[in-house]
Amino acid sequence: EAQVTQNPRYLITVTGKKLTVTCSQNMNHEYMSWYRQDPGLGLRQIYYSMNVEVTDKGDVPEGYKVSRKEKRNFPLILESPSPNQTSLYFCASSLRGHLGSYNEQFFGPGTRLTVL
Amino acid sequence: GENVEQHPSTLSVQEGDSAVIKCTYSDSASNYFPWYKQELGKRPQLIIDIRSNVGEKKDQRIAVTLNKTAKHFSLHITETQPEDSAVYFCAASWASGGAGSYQLTFGKGTKLSVIP
Repeated sequence: EAQVTQNPRYLITVTGKKLTVTCSQNMNHEYMSWYRQDPGLGLRQIYYSMNVEVTDKGDVPEGYKVSRKEKRNFPLILESPSPNQTSLYFCASSLRGHLGSYNEQFFGPGTRLTVL
Repeated sequence: GENVEQHPSTLSVQEGDSAVIKCTYSDSASNYFPWYKQELGKRPQLIIDIRSNVGEKKDQRIAVTLNKTAKHFSLHITETQPEDSAVYFCAASWASGGAGSYQLTFGKGTKLSVIP
């Protein structure tokens, strides 16, 4: 089944304790992205990756890191989480279209993170 | 970067009536405009999209119109049903970073309630 998976789905942690949220897709998509969703703010892009070893900052990258060592995986790393990073996080992937044109993004199930 | 404004933030309609959600964008180079539906507790899912070389697109009860000159696009849902109740997000894609790189900026969402 074609899908985007994220783990963990729920996480409660404390300030400063490093954590990683994994994201994996089995659709051979080049483009992968992380979003955070907060009430009243919609979906905001954290980081994105056009392909392996290529990553770029989105609109809200502060406090986050990513890596893209393999095409299928795009982990999100919070080196020192803070309470303002409490949010619902979505990973997404899409095919990269011809000449960079955009294609449908497929979202993972989401990870609800609480930082105390 | 791109800025996407979405209105209204909440919308209530009677079952069978039509619903219209409007979005404006700032970057005239944006070329892809998807609409996502997010049911409570679920991930966003694409319901319809339109590219900048098209003015209107329909899929059964859902249609999207694009006015490039005015930089706005709208989602139209006809004959609404209770299962249409959800949060709807518009988005615009725009070129960013290196060659072929692009980002997706979302509106803040519209909570649609269809009253039986």
